[in-house]
Amino acid sequence: DTGVSQNPRHKITKRGQNVTFRCDPISEHNRLYWYRQTLGQGPEFLTYFQNEAQLEKSRLLSDRFSAERPKGSFSTLEIQRTEQGDSAMYLCASKGGGGAANEQFFGPGTRLTVL
Amino acid sequence: GENVGLHLPTLSVQEGDNSIINCAYSNSASDYFIWYKQESGKGPQFIIDIRSNMDKRQGQRVTVLLNKTVKHLSLQIAATQPGDSAVYFCAENKAPGNKLVFGAGTILRVKS
Repeated sequence: DTGVSQNPRHKITKRGQNVTFRCDPISEHNRLYWYRQTLGQGPEFLTYFQNEAQLEKSRLLSDRFSAERPKGSFSTLEIQRTEQGDSAMYLCASKGGGGAANEQFFGPGTRLTVL
Repeated sequence: GENVGLHLPTLSVQEGDNSIINCAYSNSASDYFIWYKQESGKGPQFIIDIRSNMDKRQGQRVTVLLNKTVKHLSLQIAATQPGDSAVYFCAENKAPGNKLVFGAGTILRVKS
């Protein structure tokens, strides 16, 4: 257990529905990252927060995706009007301050299946 | 574009043997690499990192080698154990934001 938790662990939804995932990072970590991982591939960066500010969004993050970190603690990732191509593992990671030397700690992920 | 990729998708080794997992990258300006291990049903776990001002770094049973001339790095695992069975990724830590750019992964299978 890395100290990063994600809920739910699994989500099955029908195409067109909205889904929301939650990530609870390690409490003193100011950076929080979202990644998406499809089968057989490495995780792909989606977005990251420093405290409550969303500082970067990948081109992978279409208009249907939105992420928030309202109080600089937990974060949510919402996908609207889900498509089958959204099926993937969504990973959250957190990192303390101090530059690149500090590792990112990953949660167990939320596996999304869109039918 | 910038890519971080792996040569071998699957590596099978006998328990007790040494394992070598390879990774190639394309951006000569890349300066910070990390190896991650991912077990089934879990998120990636940090193993070891290396900066471009180093050629080699050692941890417990693991060694990372970086060859900047040919843009290649490798992860060596000594005395491979069944618990080492997992998918291994090399990743570049990129500024700004220290986001990670992962390669596709190598499956390591350890035979007892």
